[in-house]
Amino acid sequence: AQKITQTQPGMFVQEKEAVTLDCTYDTSDQSYGLFWYKQPSSGEMIFLIYQGSYDEQNATEGRYSLNFQKARKSANLVISASQLGDSAMYFCAMNQAGTALIFGKGTTLSVSS
Amino acid sequence: NAGVTQTPKFQVLKTGQSMTLQCAQDMNHNSMYWYRQDPGMGLRLIYYSASEGTTDKGEVPNGYNVSRLNKREFSLRLESAAPSQTSVYFCASSATGVGETQYFGPGTRLLVL
Repeated sequence: AQKITQTQPGMFVQEKEAVTLDCTYDTSDQSYGLFWYKQPSSGEMIFLIYQGSYDEQNATEGRYSLNFQKARKSANLVISASQLGDSAMYFCAMNQAGTALIFGKGTTLSVSS
Repeated sequence: NAGVTQTPKFQVLKTGQSMTLQCAQDMNHNSMYWYRQDPGMGLRLIYYSASEGTTDKGEVPNGYNVSRLNKREFSLRLESAAPSQTSVYFCASSATGVGETQYFGPGTRLLVL
């Protein structure tokens, strides 16, 4: 069975610093996708970044990068140069062929000035 | 381009009442999903529909029914609401496949008294 684990309930960072949000996953499939979503206080779910299990390069999208370590089954999100607007809940998720996303319990990120 | 829309945005029910949450997408996606989000639990899958005419149970289906009315619309019904169903409900849609991003609606906040 698939499982996503996010062990950091809350993280604190100052503006302009980088922060890493941890995510580990468990699956027996070779083909799967890993996703990160952001949920600000307004409540909507915003897609940030995707990594495929066969992708050799780590995914990047602007200030977001995904540190994918397949052997360790980890897919950490790195946010560079944090901004106040990055304060939100962040969810790691995965899917396999024919299945819906399975989500972790989330990490609350607080960015201070 | 509206993406994924949900109605209503907010609803208060009394125990035992019924209601239907509506969801529609205009992205021509085959797959649609219903999740619930509770504090500290992340998003949990209630039901999903991989294509028009098919539905499958997710992690927490008890107390809910769904209808995939057509390719665009996927409704969630609570036949006899219980306080344990107080939650935020998200509808999502995606194209079919491992790497396909799920796009979420704005959510419905449901309070069952």
